[in-house]
Amino acid sequence: DVKVTQSSRYLVKRTGEKVFLECVQDMDHENMFWYRQDPGLGLRLIYFSYDVKMKEKGDIPEGYSVSREKKERFSLILESASTNQTSMYLCASSAVSPYEQYFGPGTRLTVT
Amino acid sequence: AQSVTQPDIHITVSEGASLELRCNYSYGATPYLFWYVQSPGQGLQLLLKYFSGDTLVQGIKGFEAEFKRSQSSFNLRKPSVHWSDAAEYFCAVHSGGSNYKLTFGKGTLLTVNP
Repeated sequence: DVKVTQSSRYLVKRTGEKVFLECVQDMDHENMFWYRQDPGLGLRLIYFSYDVKMKEKGDIPEGYSVSREKKERFSLILESASTNQTSMYLCASSAVSPYEQYFGPGTRLTVT
Repeated sequence: AQSVTQPDIHITVSEGASLELRCNYSYGATPYLFWYVQSPGQGLQLLLKYFSGDTLVQGIKGFEAEFKRSQSSFNLRKPSVHWSDAAEYFCAVHSGGSNYKLTFGKGTLLTVNP
């Protein structure tokens, strides 16, 4: 079974802090994704990576950056956390083909 | 650009009743189609997928979905709902090729009454 793990289930940070969210997958997938999920807005893609050190902006990249130094690990970085970044963050991975994505359990981030 | 519409934001059914969740997509060619389920506080779990072939696909937990090209639909069904099926359900589409992204619908929240 594909396993995608995320470093924290719950996280509380203060405004202005630098926040790291880590995601690890164990299926040698090429693609990895970061989403945020908010009530009424569904899933919105922040960034994705299709190879080590390669990344592309998703629909809402502002205020975020990412890092992929190893194939199995994809990090989401909030350079200076703000209260409007309070959300559920979901990581996913997929092979090049077929295209289904496998999701981690999510990190509920609260910025106060 | 492709899009996915789930017309029902919230559906309530009684335990044991049948269920149909609607999904419509907008895309020129035949897309790759998926249904995911999300239990409260959890990540998304893949229920089933359609790539080609038989338009009725079977998934996990007793779910099935039917692809209807003429209606651009991919509706999810279950003959008899269990209380544990209460969750949020997402339909998603992929256009294939080198496009890496899935496009998700906004989800349908299912409540199951005892």
